[in-house]
Amino acid sequence: DGGITQSPKYLFRKEGQNVTLSCEQNLNHDAMYWYRQDPGQGLRLIYYSQIVNDFQKGDIAEGYSVSREKKESFPLTVTSAQKNPTAFYLCASSMGQVRSGNTIYFGEGSWLTVV
Amino acid sequence: GNSVTQMEGPVTLSEEAFLTINCTYTATGYPSLFWYVQYPGEGLQLLLKATKADDKGSNKGFEATYRKETTSFHLEKGSVQVSDSAVYFCALTFTDKLIFGTGTRLQVFP
Repeated sequence: DGGITQSPKYLFRKEGQNVTLSCEQNLNHDAMYWYRQDPGQGLRLIYYSQIVNDFQKGDIAEGYSVSREKKESFPLTVTSAQKNPTAFYLCASSMGQVRSGNTIYFGEGSWLTVV
Repeated sequence: GNSVTQMEGPVTLSEEAFLTINCTYTATGYPSLFWYVQYPGEGLQLLLKATKADDKGSNKGFEATYRKETTSFHLEKGSVQVSDSAVYFCALTFTDKLIFGTGTRLQVFP
């Protein structure tokens, strides 16, 4: 089936550790995104990538890093510099630029808890 | 700046009631508008979209009309079901990304 796969679904991290969330898509989409969702709040954009080997910071990039070495993969690393990392993380992708009317599709999300 | 404002929830309805969830936006240019739905513990699913003024998006009995004159994109459904209980997000395009509202929780009781 085509879609966006995020792993792991649940992840616990100790303070001071880095952790990487995986996102893979087989939709042949050019653009990929990472959003963060906190309880009772909307989604905030962390990073996005329009094309392989290129990415841009979103609204809350501090404490996060990404790479886009392959079209189908866009992993997110939550570093120890992220002061409040406990949240629900959503990966998404779109065929092209959203300004052109392309739809963004979401994965099932990953829950990260700092213990 | 560009932003989306949604009515605060939760919205609590009985089954078969009429639903309206208000969404207004502030934007430069002519954004596309979207409604996404999120069921508990899951990612977001596209519910419907409209790409220009006066367009009506519809899906699964839900409708929303892109009203440029009132900068609104209100979500409506004539008869809700218990299975419609979820969080609904309004969103607009801004350059190369989506800007989301804070979401409105809908609870439907039998």
